[in-house]
Amino acid sequence: KQEVTQIPAALSVPEGENLVLNCSFTDSAIYNLQWFRQDPGKGLTSLLLIQSSQREQTSGRLNASLDKSSGRSTLYIAASQPGDSATYLCAVSSYNQGGKLIFGQGTELSVKP
Amino acid sequence: NAGVMQNPRHLVRRRGQEARLRCSPMKGHSHVYWYRQLPEEGLKFMVYLQKENIIDESGMPKERFSAEFPKEGPSILRIQQVVRGDSAAYFCASSPVDPEWDEQFFGPGTRLTVL
Repeated sequence: KQEVTQIPAALSVPEGENLVLNCSFTDSAIYNLQWFRQDPGKGLTSLLLIQSSQREQTSGRLNASLDKSSGRSTLYIAASQPGDSATYLCAVSSYNQGGKLIFGQGTELSVKP
Repeated sequence: NAGVMQNPRHLVRRRGQEARLRCSPMKGHSHVYWYRQLPEEGLKFMVYLQKENIIDESGMPKERFSAEFPKEGPSILRIQQVVRGDSAAYFCASSPVDPEWDEQFFGPGTRLTVL
C-alpha cells in the first residue's frame, strides 16, 4: 500500500532564504509525482508534475527532483518570498491504481518579511 | 478553457439532510476524481468516475455516499443523511485521456458544514 510522507510538517524561514521541502513514498512503482500548493481555505494549485522517467522539473523559482528508486522527491524554492507562504502537498500516482493520487500530509510554509 | 468548476463553494446542512456537490471537469476531460479533506487531515481519495461509469469507489464510505457522472452534465457527489463528521472540504479533479500519466487539475472545492 502506497504511503506518502512529507517532512517537515511546518517550516518558518526569513524572506530571501532558499529552502527544500521533502516528500518520500514507500512504493517506487509510480507513474508520476505532483507538487501542489494550497492556500488557507482554498483549492489546490498544481506547481510541477514529474513523470517517473524524469529526474527533475523547473518552473520559475521552483525546482522539483525525483529519485524513484529511493522513493524521494524534493521541492526547492529559491529566494523565498512572503507570497510563498502556503501548504505544499506532494502526491503520487501509482501503478494499477487508476490514476488516483495518494497525498502526503503537507508542509506548512511561512516566509517572514 | 475554464478550469474545473465546483458548486456550491460553501454548503451548510443540518444533520439528516442531503448534500449534493457538483463538479464540471475541464473541457475535453473525461476522468473525474473526488477527494475529501477532513479538518487537520490530508486529502483522501474517494471515487474515480468516467462518463456513466464508476471505475473505483474504494475510498468512498459504503453507506450514505454515492457518486455519478452522467453522459450529460456535471459529476455529482451525493451525501444522504449528513452527520457532523461529514463536515469537510470536498475537491474534484479531472484529467484528460490517460489518468495514470496525465496531470490532474483540481477545482476550488466545496466546503460542507453540517450543523
